[in-house]
Amino acid sequence: AQSVAQPEDQVNVAEGNPLTVKCTYSVSGNPYLFWYVQYPNRGLQFLLKYITGDNLVKGSYGFEAEFNKSQTSFHLKKPSALVSDSALYFCAVRDENTGFQKLVFGTGTRLLVSP
Amino acid sequence: DTAVSQTPKYLVTQMGNDKSIKCEQNLGHDTMYWYKQDSKKFLKIMFSYNNKELIINETVPNRFSPKSPDKAHLNLHINSLELGDSAVYFCASCSRGRAGRDTQYFGPGTRLTVL
Repeated sequence: AQSVAQPEDQVNVAEGNPLTVKCTYSVSGNPYLFWYVQYPNRGLQFLLKYITGDNLVKGSYGFEAEFNKSQTSFHLKKPSALVSDSALYFCAVRDENTGFQKLVFGTGTRLLVSP
Repeated sequence: DTAVSQTPKYLVTQMGNDKSIKCEQNLGHDTMYWYKQDSKKFLKIMFSYNNKELIINETVPNRFSPKSPDKAHLNLHINSLELGDSAVYFCASCSRGRAGRDTQYFGPGTRLTVL
């Protein structure tokens, strides 16, 4: 069965500093990996995904993520954090062998960017 | 134009009542989902429909009954509401083609409070 772990409940970073939100996964086949962001009282917004190809994926709002197969990780990164990046971030995985596109989410990481 | 919409946005009701949440997508997708986000922000899939056919049913009490009148709509009816049903319910949609590589897009959520 597929699973996702986000080991940090919260990440604190100062504005202008680089940020990393960690994600590791477990699947039986090849993974399809996604990052979503949830602002307060809002739905989930898609940020980026890894399906195949280049291990470094660029997404919305200057975010990027690096797929590392040997470490089964897909960490979300941004070179310079903004206060407006403060939100709840979810990593999700789908196993390529899952015929019905079942997406499994991590428990979420709250990002707080201080001015 | 809103891609995935849900009504109502807020729903407050008494225990034992029956209520429905509606979802509509205008993305031309053929697969739709219901997710439940609990008070700890944990997000879990409940149901999925593809072309009006139920394809995922995740150990959800049978008080919950999804209905898909057409590909663009997926409604969720809940009978005999219980306190533990209080949560935010998200609808999502996706194209099932391309071997499950496509992104799921989420609605804004419906916050259900059972008193």
